[in-house]
Order: sequence, then structure tokens, then C-alpha cells
Amino acid sequence: DSGVTQTPKHLITATGQRVTLRCSPRSGDLSVYWYQQSLDQGLQFLIQYYNGEERAKGNILERFSAQQFPDLHSELNLSSLELGDSALYFCASSADVQGIEAFFGQGTRLTVV
Amino acid sequence: SQQGEEDPQALSIQEGENATMNCSYKTSINNLQWYRQNSGRGLVHLILIRSNEREKHSGRLRVTLDTSKKSSSLLITASRAADTASYFCATDAGYSTLTFGKGTMLLVSP
Repeated sequence: DSGVTQTPKHLITATGQRVTLRCSPRSGDLSVYWYQQSLDQGLQFLIQYYNGEERAKGNILERFSAQQFPDLHSELNLSSLELGDSALYFCASSADVQGIEAFFGQGTRLTVV
Repeated sequence: SQQGEEDPQALSIQEGENATMNCSYKTSINNLQWYRQNSGRGLVHLILIRSNEREKHSGRLRVTLDTSKKSSSLLITASRAADTASYFCATDAGYSTLTFGKGTMLLVSP
């Protein structure tokens, strides 16, 4: 158990819908990372938050947004979903901003039908 | 684009053999990490090597780093079936503070 909790584990929804993925980082970790993993794109970095502030942005679509709350949990919002958004979404946390020894959650498997 | 690129994409060996995976990256780094992912599960941190280090060991793992060639290798000695997984390198350069390559899929057959 990494100490990072992601909910839900599975999500099936229709195209055009909006979903929210939730991540609780390991106790004391200030950095939260979101990744999307699909067969064709591999593990794509989406966005990083550190202590509530956006730290780095990767290949995150405009239809996607995220935030980190004062209690350090984070949410990833995916809207106007398309079939191609079907993927595993991982959250990771680390104590520092450099991402040294990040701990990963078990992921949320999103299926868009 | 990916900062790190692992090679080979896939590797199949027998139990007891050694497995070597390579990672190349594009820009200067402060450190490089290796992670393992069992099928469909979250990544697990294996080992970190800093830019001023050349070699590091952890159990059956040996990691080398050549900053002049911008490359690293992960050696798993005396492999076991339980080592079957995907292995990723991650660097702290690029647009993210933790950028992963596409991984090497390792299959260890009994």
C-alpha cells in the first residue's frame, strides 16, 4: 500500500459527460501529480500541484482541469469526454517539489462509451 | 514528448538470467529514478541515482548513469518470475518535475 488513495477505481461513462477523479496523497506529501496512461501514448504527465499551487503543466487538454485543496487532496475534472479519453489515470504524491520517490495510487480506470 | 526513452520496448528472459534495460534522456537532470509497474497497477519506486553518481546498488538491482551520454541502465540480476513487470525511468527535467519514458516490458519465464 503506497498510502495514496484514488477514487473511484473504475468509471464507465458516456461521451460528452463530465467526471471527477479524486486523489488523497500520502500523509505529509505536498506534491500531487496526475498522469494518464493509455496503450498508445504511454504514461503522460498531465499536471502537478505543490501545496495548493499549480507547479507544472504537461499534456493536459483544455477540457481537463485539476485543483489541490487546502487539505492537500486533489481532484481531476474531465469534461466533454471523448472515446479517446478512455485510459488509466494515476495520481502520485511526493514530499518535495522535485518528485523524488513519488508514491502512486492504484489508478482510476476510465472507460468512455 | 517523452523526456526519457527506454530500450528495449520488450524483453523476454528465463528465470535466473540477468535483465538489462536502458534509458536515454534529452536534457540535463538532477536525478534519475527507476520505477516498476505490475500490469494495470500503480508504479512503485525502485531506485534513485543522482547526477553526480555513476553507479548504485539496491539488492538485485544495479543502476548506472552516464551523464555525458545522457543515459542510464537498470540491471536486474538473477531474475525471478515475480520481476515480470514494466520498468520506467523518470527524470526531473523537461516540463514536469517527474517525466516518464514509455517503459520496457519484462517477461521472466519460469
